[in-house]
Amino acid sequence: DAGVTQSPTHLIKTRGQQVTLRCSPKSGHDTVSWYQQALGQGPQFIFQYYEEEERQRGNFPDRFSGHQFPNYSSELNVNALLLGDSALYLCASSLVAGGPDEQFFGPGTRLTVL
Amino acid sequence: SQQGEEDPQALSIQEGENATMNCSYKTSINNLQWYRQNSGRGLVHLILIRSNEREKHSGRLRVTLDTSKKSSSLLITASRAADTASYFCAASLYNNNDMRFGAGTRLTVKP
Repeated sequence: DAGVTQSPTHLIKTRGQQVTLRCSPKSGHDTVSWYQQALGQGPQFIFQYYEEEERQRGNFPDRFSGHQFPNYSSELNVNALLLGDSALYLCASSLVAGGPDEQFFGPGTRLTVL
Repeated sequence: SQQGEEDPQALSIQEGENATMNCSYKTSINNLQWYRQNSGRGLVHLILIRSNEREKHSGRLRVTLDTSKKSSSLLITASRAADTASYFCAASLYNNNDMRFGAGTRLTVKP
C-alpha cells in the first residue's frame, strides 16, 4: 500500500519562472491538502482539494493555484516565483467521509528559487 | 496565521528521560494532532485527540487536551536517541479543512 508520493524531490528555479509540483494521495484517500514550510517554521496551509474542487484556502496569493484529477492526484502551480517561495512543499492526503481523520504527509518537494 | 504554538522552542534531554512539549491555540477546535518531522522531511502523524477527549495514549506517547485553557501537551516517556526530531501540534477548526501548525519544538535526545 503506497503512501503519499510527491515529485520532484528537489527543484531549482529562478525568479519569475513557473513551477508545477505533483502529489499522489495514499490509496483510498480522496482529499489532498498542500502546505508550504519555510526553513525553521511550521507548515502553512495553502489549500485543500476534494472532488476536483478547491474546498478551502489559506492566506496565499493567487499565484498559487492547484488542480485535482479524477484519480485524486493533485498539482500545485506557482507562477511568477519569488525568492520567498523557496521552501519545502508538503502534500497531505486524508479521507473526508467519516469525519475528522489524520492527514498522511508525503516526503515533500524542496523548491529553491534563485 | 498560526493556530498552534509550541513551547519550548527547543528541548535537550538525556536518553531515558521524559520529554514534555506544550501547545497553545487561539480558538475553539474540532481536534488537535501531533506530528514529528525528521530533518526537514515529511511529517509523521503521531496522535489525534478530539475536542471531547482529555487524554490519549499511544505507546510511549501521552497527549492531554485542556479546552478550557486552549492547550495540549505531548509527553514522550523513556526517550531514545531516535526520538530526536521536531514536533508540531496542528489544530483543526472544522474536520481537516483548516489545520494550522505551530513553529514546532526541536527535541534533541542525547545518547
